[in-house]
Amino acid sequence: DQQVKQNSPSLSVQEGRISILNCDYTNSMFDYFLWYKKYPAEGPTFLISISSIKDKNEDGRFTVFLNKSAKHLSLHIVPSQPGDSAVYFCAASARVAETSGSRLTFGEGTQLTVNP
Amino acid sequence: GAGVSQTPSNKVTEKGKYVELRCDPISGHTALYWYRQSLGQGPEFLIYFQGTGAADDSGLPNDRFFAVRPEGSVSTLKIQRTERGDSAVYLCASSLGPPGQGRSPLHFGNGTRLTVT
Repeated sequence: DQQVKQNSPSLSVQEGRISILNCDYTNSMFDYFLWYKKYPAEGPTFLISISSIKDKNEDGRFTVFLNKSAKHLSLHIVPSQPGDSAVYFCAASARVAETSGSRLTFGEGTQLTVNP
Repeated sequence: GAGVSQTPSNKVTEKGKYVELRCDPISGHTALYWYRQSLGQGPEFLIYFQGTGAADDSGLPNDRFFAVRPEGSVSTLKIQRTERGDSAVYLCASSLGPPGQGRSPLHFGNGTRLTVT
């Protein structure tokens, strides 16, 4: 039961262009969403998050959009840079109970390659 | 150090052996998580500690897996009678807690790559 799904295993874009990474979820209890970036042999690094009370959050070159009715979120990177090449994971959490903490459910990841 | 530290970075063991994986969270982070990442997949939740207690261990695959955090800081993930299917990268993460004080992102270590031969 894949509750968070990233349907594109890979994405290739030219430097300076926009990168759009997509993520779909099925659990309507999810109310907090995050994007992580992962380089080889390193742990995932937090990039940006969004609460379900918002539909957009922006941080520099990175913007996350949330469409709750479609259970869809996306990460936009503009302009893309070669250093952005990494695996990007979408993650979600639900405040089900006090014992659940910030437990995250991750998607499978999308390998982004930004070509110079 | 400033980040989450995991040791060893790599561990190769024979099927049937016992292994321990260690995690040093960020100082002051009361919440600690263990995840497992298999090739081509995203990290999968194993267990969550709030302080010294395991608040949620529903992700542990079976009773061969156990984790402790006796003093509310360092945690050890223990795997008994290892199987080849246990081979994966085991990730530890910490965050400010406890729940109810607002969401804070998880900060991950670089993981321990476990290979069971």
